[in-house]
Amino acid sequence: DTEVTQTPKHLVMGMTNKKSLKCEQHMGHRAMYWYKQKAKKPPELMFVYSYEKLSINESVPSRFSPECPNSSLLNLHLHALQPEDSALYLCASSQTWDEKLFFGSGTQLSVL
Amino acid sequence: AQTVTQSQPEMSVQEAETVTLSCTYDTSESDYYLFWYKQPPSRQMILVIRQEAYKQQNATENRFSVNFQKAAKSFSLKISDSQLGDAAMYFCAYRSNPSGNTGKLIFGQGTTLQVKP
Repeated sequence: DTEVTQTPKHLVMGMTNKKSLKCEQHMGHRAMYWYKQKAKKPPELMFVYSYEKLSINESVPSRFSPECPNSSLLNLHLHALQPEDSALYLCASSQTWDEKLFFGSGTQLSVL
Repeated sequence: AQTVTQSQPEMSVQEAETVTLSCTYDTSESDYYLFWYKQPPSRQMILVIRQEAYKQQNATENRFSVNFQKAAKSFSLKISDSQLGDAAMYFCAYRSNPSGNTGKLIFGQGTTLQVKP
């Protein structure tokens, strides 16, 4: 299994809603990442988890809350988002720090 | 800080022809990784090719090859025998050596490749 699975594929939410994005991998990777990507722009790193511990937070607003319950699963909890948070959210994983990243197909988020 | 520059926002190529996408980067580090990622309309990021900076030999993956010029800080991607399925946005990316590495990929702005039948 060489896949990173993200659910849901599409999400529409209001500014007062609470929702969560889910990412799962079964490759035994110990580093997992959240990226945000606007249309026709490169992905921007949000968070990095290493061995289930948050190692990098790229000054992301607190309305985004990551969680890594176990080595295979990564969540991104969303609360009180703004319309400018609408974007593609990509999850990725890697074996170790020096390995290539495997990306999921993303969750397209629209905030109304 | 490291930066990655892709100076070609859009490129086009005739099917079966060869095209080269340009990438330059700026860094003071001597050991690092360079990547080309492909993002088709499905928007999944797919690794095309990887180059370790300490290796002088240019990486090759089937129809994809790179021209890595470390002194010039240049890392171009050549696609031979272009196919319709190669149409996508291509991102050049840089990553520091894993020793003390934050695991952060630094992306260029991307080049949209159109393949004409």
